[in-house]
Amino acid sequence: DIVMTQTPLSSPVTLGQPASISCRSSESLVHSDGNTYLSWLQQRPGQPPRLLIYKISNRFSGVPDRFSGSGAGTDFTLKISRVEAEDVGVYYCMQATQFPHTFGQGTKLEIK
Amino acid sequence: EVQLVQSGAEVKKPGESLEISCKISGYSFTNYWIAWVRQMPGKGLEWMGIIYPGDSDTRYRPSFQGQVTISADKSISTAYLQWSSLKASDTAMYYCARGSYSSSWQFDYWGQGTLVTVSS
Repeated sequence: DIVMTQTPLSSPVTLGQPASISCRSSESLVHSDGNTYLSWLQQRPGQPPRLLIYKISNRFSGVPDRFSGSGAGTDFTLKISRVEAEDVGVYYCMQATQFPHTFGQGTKLEIK
Repeated sequence: EVQLVQSGAEVKKPGESLEISCKISGYSFTNYWIAWVRQMPGKGLEWMGIIYPGDSDTRYRPSFQGQVTISADKSISTAYLQWSSLKASDTAMYYCARGSYSSSWQFDYWGQGTLVTVSS
């Protein structure tokens, strides 16, 4: 299985300030078709996960543009340009390049 | 409108069997994979396995192979997750989600979750 490792596991952030979460995979996520199937999901307390970003940097429909994704190969980053109160929750990276798909451990974003 | 509606919460005893369901609407059931994801209390997301209802192709994470069975009934657009003998450690929230290679593996719609509690 591909192991996904996120850092940090907890991120206290001041409202209006940026936040950044890293995700590293144990092997390259470049698929044989040339695409990289790395997604970011947000899980607010008591809610199912919600897709934010797919294929490294593509924002899903309705996701605010303060969320952005970047990276390549084995190293990826989710950035929130200015954190808002509604962004509190746990963020997961997920790879779908290879079965079994796998998630990172999650990063808890909280407000200072 | 795309919807994935999961069956209700369950309370079971160790050793009992269980099947939970995920009924879809608003899109063609046979065109997307359905994944099952476990979330144990206070923990992260774990991908359990996935089924393509179009041809019943099913893949499991090795640690779940033999522990659960994933199936689908095309006639009623419903996917299932089944246990033959529950353990206390199966206590968790279970989510279904749709995704497909043709949509760049966007897991874009999720069920509301089914809470399974296994206790003697």
